[in-house]
This record gives sequence, structure tokens and C-alpha cells, in this order.
Amino acid sequence: LAKTTQPISMDSYEGQEVNITCSHNNIATNDYITWYQQFPSQGPRFIIQGYKTKVTNEVASLFIPADRKSSTLSLPRVSLSDTAVYYCLVGDISSGSARQLTFGSGTQLTVLP
Amino acid sequence: DSGVTQTPKHLITATGQRVTLRCSPRSGDLSVYWYQQSLDQGLQFLIQYYNGEERAKGNILERFSAQQFPDLHSELNLSSLELGDSALYFCASSVVGLNGDIQYFGAGTRLSVL
Repeated sequence: LAKTTQPISMDSYEGQEVNITCSHNNIATNDYITWYQQFPSQGPRFIIQGYKTKVTNEVASLFIPADRKSSTLSLPRVSLSDTAVYYCLVGDISSGSARQLTFGSGTQLTVLP
Repeated sequence: DSGVTQTPKHLITATGQRVTLRCSPRSGDLSVYWYQQSLDQGLQFLIQYYNGEERAKGNILERFSAQQFPDLHSELNLSSLELGDSALYFCASSVVGLNGDIQYFGAGTRLSVL
């Protein structure tokens, strides 16, 4: 069971790039890494997912080193509306799998003006 | 709007009671997941169903049970409720992305046990 560790909180200023790192030392071969964003009293929202190397979409990039024991979510040029909790999820939830899902404790990102 | 519908939005009940939370997944999604989020806590995975069958189990108490029906909606039953069961309960449904499953979460049901 892959346990994840994230910083509890981070502060940034508008327009800066923010990098949030998640440690998952016990990641298994079939595990994917997924990041979610959650605003207060709302359900988490998918940001990005990857298995290895680098993945980029319209809102973020995900960097995964070769040993896959950590991953870094990169948010370019954050705005006040990016203030939220960011969760790292490691697990194999593809069809046929019965492995448990592990959300990290989450990182509270606060973007300051 | 994620396309996942949860009802009711709020539920207030007393200790010892039983409640049922309902979830309608996105059209075409076969997997449904249930999570519990207590105040200022992270998301705790409870259980997953795939096309009507239980697929994965997390830290779900014996007082809790779930099922997924032929029309793919799911219900989470919580019985003998305790004060500590007060939490947000989220349902998610999933579609397989390029790298694995992507979960889409509903807005949640806020349960208050008094």
C-alpha cells in the first residue's frame, strides 16, 4: 500500500510558478499518480495524471523521476483562484485491480496578491 | 459540473439512526467510489464498485455498507450512527484515462449526527 507524504501548506504570490512535491516511496509497478484540487466543501477535481517522466496539460505539469518514488505538480503563473487543497493519489484502480486507494493528507496552497 | 449527482446535499440525524446516501455516476461510467472526509481531514477511501460488483475495499466500518444497482447508481448505507460519523461523504465515478482511471467527484453529502 503506497503511502504518500506532502507538505501541509505552501504560500505563493500571484503570477509565480508553484511546485508541490509528493513522496511515495512504496509505489508499486502498476500504480499511477494522480493529482486533484479541492475547494472548501466541494468535491475534488482532477488536475493531471501520469505514470513516469513528464506529463503536461492545459493547467499543470507533472514531473516523475525514473525511480517514481516522488512526483511534483507544477502550476504555472498561479492566481488567487488557485488557492485550494491539492491531493496526490497513488494507486492502481484500473479494471481488475482490488488495491486500495491512498490520498495524501493534502497541501493547502494559499496564493497571495 | 462533474456529472456525478449526490443526494441529499445535507442530512441531519441522531445517534443510533440509519441513513442512505445516493449517488448517480456520470453517463457511461461503470465504477463508483465512496469517500469520507471528516472536518479538516483528508479523503478516506471507503469502497469501490465496478458494474455492480464490489471491486476494492478501504477503511469502511462494518456499520457501513454499499451497493451498486443495475442502472449503475449506488447507495451508501450508514447504520448505528455515532457522532464521529459526521462528515462529508463523496461519491466519484471513473473513466479510464490514457494513464489510468480518472475519478469525477460529486458535490458530496454533508452528514451531521447529533
